[in-house]
Amino acid sequence: DSGVTQTPKHLITATGQRVTLRCSPRSGDLSVYWYQQSLDQGLQFLIQYYNGEERAKGNILERFSAQQFPDLHSELNLSSLELGDSALYFCASRAGEGSGNTIYFGEGSWLTVV
Amino acid sequence: TQLLEQSPQFLSIQEGENLTVYCNSSSVFSSLQWYRQEPGEGPVLLVTVVTGGEVKKLKRLTFQFGDARKDSSLHITAAQTGDTGLYLCAGHIYNQGGKLIFGQGTELSVKP
Repeated sequence: DSGVTQTPKHLITATGQRVTLRCSPRSGDLSVYWYQQSLDQGLQFLIQYYNGEERAKGNILERFSAQQFPDLHSELNLSSLELGDSALYFCASRAGEGSGNTIYFGEGSWLTVV
Repeated sequence: TQLLEQSPQFLSIQEGENLTVYCNSSSVFSSLQWYRQEPGEGPVLLVTVVTGGEVKKLKRLTFQFGDARKDSSLHITAAQTGDTGLYLCAGHIYNQGGKLIFGQGTELSVKP
């Protein structure tokens, strides 16, 4: 158990819909990362937050947004869903931003868009 | 464009054989990690290398960071069936803060 909790674990929804994925980082970890993993793209970095502020942005679509709340949990919002958005979405957390800080991954949220 | 090129993508070997997985980039990394991922689970960190030329050993696994901090390798000696899984390299690009970029992964299958 990494200490990073993601909900829901599985989600099936229709195209055009909107979903919210939730992440609770490890206790005390200030940094939260979101990744998308699909068979053909591997693990793609979406976005990082540090103590409530957006720190780095990757290949995140405009239909997707995220935020980190004062209690440090984070949500990833996916809207106008398309079939190609079906993937495993991982949240990860890290204590700080130093090179020595380990990033811990949650078990992921499986999203299937039908 | 894949910043971190991992090779090979697939590897199927017999138990007892040795293997090496490579991770290459044109970018300099402040640190580089190797992860192992089981189906349906998140990646689990195996090792972090920080210094150019650094070599770390974890039982039968040897990790090396290139002198220029642009590449890394993972060598497994006498592979066992329990080593089967997806191996991922990931790096923090120098001067890009906390952003962690992953390679495509190497799917290793060790047959008895």
